[in-house]
Amino acid sequence: QKEVEQNSGPLSVPEGAIASLNCTYSDRGSQSFFWYRQYSGKSPELIMSIYSNGDKEDGRFTAQLNKASQYVSLLIRDSQPSDSATYLCAAATSGTYKYIFGTGTRLKVLA
Amino acid sequence: GAVVSQHPSRVICKSGTSVKIECRSLDFQATTMFWYRQFPKQSLMLMATSNEGSKATYEQGVEKDKFLINHASLTLSTLTVTSAHPEDSSFYICSARLSGQGGPSKGGYTFGSGTRLTVV
Repeated sequence: QKEVEQNSGPLSVPEGAIASLNCTYSDRGSQSFFWYRQYSGKSPELIMSIYSNGDKEDGRFTAQLNKASQYVSLLIRDSQPSDSATYLCAAATSGTYKYIFGTGTRLKVLA
Repeated sequence: GAVVSQHPSRVICKSGTSVKIECRSLDFQATTMFWYRQFPKQSLMLMATSNEGSKATYEQGVEKDKFLINHASLTLSTLTVTSAHPEDSSFYICSARLSGQGGPSKGGYTFGSGTRLTVV
């Protein structure tokens, strides 16, 4: 069974701090990884995608991938209360077009 | 950017009735539509994958006779929950792969806004 695992949280950080969200995946065939943000009652919106080992930065967000450890992370710098949401990690195997989603980590940014 | 319009956003129905959920791709052609279900505080679970003009492929454990999927055109896919029961109450979300886009590695997926189904 292919799985993507995340700590459900909540992860609470003060405003302005760095929030670190982690994700592990079981399928070594996974090649593409995505972080989605989901507000309560809304559908997910794509934050970052990463395909190669290392870091990828986009504004306040940095995604990190370590395929040897089967580990993906998302760092949010200068966290804002508006960042409070559930963050879903997803993995996809090349050619299947299917995402496997983690259960999500609920992030709370305290003003 | 590409938008998938999903309707209705909320629906309450009586047990035993059927409910249809529509997803329309606006300004692009959706080669493939994915249908997900999400229970409270749980992740998105893929129910089925539908390609335009062909039968949907259902994930293990999903009853194809209960969750009818139609993808008759490149801009419209529907999910019908037949003989709905309270345990079918959930958040249903569609996701479209743009025609001509790559797979997940290209990030070419767009999510609908979701449908909150409550069966009473």
